[in-house]
Amino acid sequence: DAKTTQPPSMDCAEGRAANLPCNHSTISGNEYVYWYRQIHSQGPQYIIHGLKNNETNEMASLIITEDRKSSTLILPHATLRDTAVYYCIVRVASNQGGKLIFGQGTELSVKP
Amino acid sequence: NAGVTQTPKFQVLKTGQSMTLQCAQDMNHEYMSWYRQDPGMGLRLIHYSVGAGITDQGEVPNGYNVSRSTTEDFPLRLLSAAPSQTSVYFCASSRTQGAGNTIYFGEGSWLTVV
Repeated sequence: DAKTTQPPSMDCAEGRAANLPCNHSTISGNEYVYWYRQIHSQGPQYIIHGLKNNETNEMASLIITEDRKSSTLILPHATLRDTAVYYCIVRVASNQGGKLIFGQGTELSVKP
Repeated sequence: NAGVTQTPKFQVLKTGQSMTLQCAQDMNHEYMSWYRQDPGMGLRLIHYSVGAGITDQGEVPNGYNVSRSTTEDFPLRLLSAAPSQTSVYFCASSRTQGAGNTIYFGEGSWLTVV
């Protein structure tokens, strides 16, 4: 059972920020939110993850609401190469096997 | 950095044949797993391992076997291939099963069963 809900598709203009939302209202306190992207059925590429606090790395920022029921992935300056399917995923706790539970993902199209 | 390596990249099988998809990682990761991805869908967990000698079933284990005799290798065996097993298979690993440890994926193995 997927623990996340994402819009099926989004568009973004090249050079603008892409904000990808995700709902995970049933997430447990020790489960992490991960974001991956997949281009043309290649292996999923790790982007970022977090537990409670907002996180930033060289690729993106992750904003998690205080109640942890939703989050937003921000690509600050989208390029055409960012066109991909983006997955918001919950990684369950180690006592449940530490599995990633994938949902359907958001297909992001970055347009010139 | 090799990371997670899968072989073969492409394979065509006849119904009833058996084969093994190989997965190796060079990061000394304890946790390894196999996923399958069908068209238009997210990945689904087949089997996983939290360390050498330990394996467990995921969401869709039927028709697949795994073993973990070494830390580095986690092969996936199809005992009697069926057309329903036509899919893209991804191997993944992380340092431990702890939820804060990043999982890294291989590039995938495309399997067609005719």
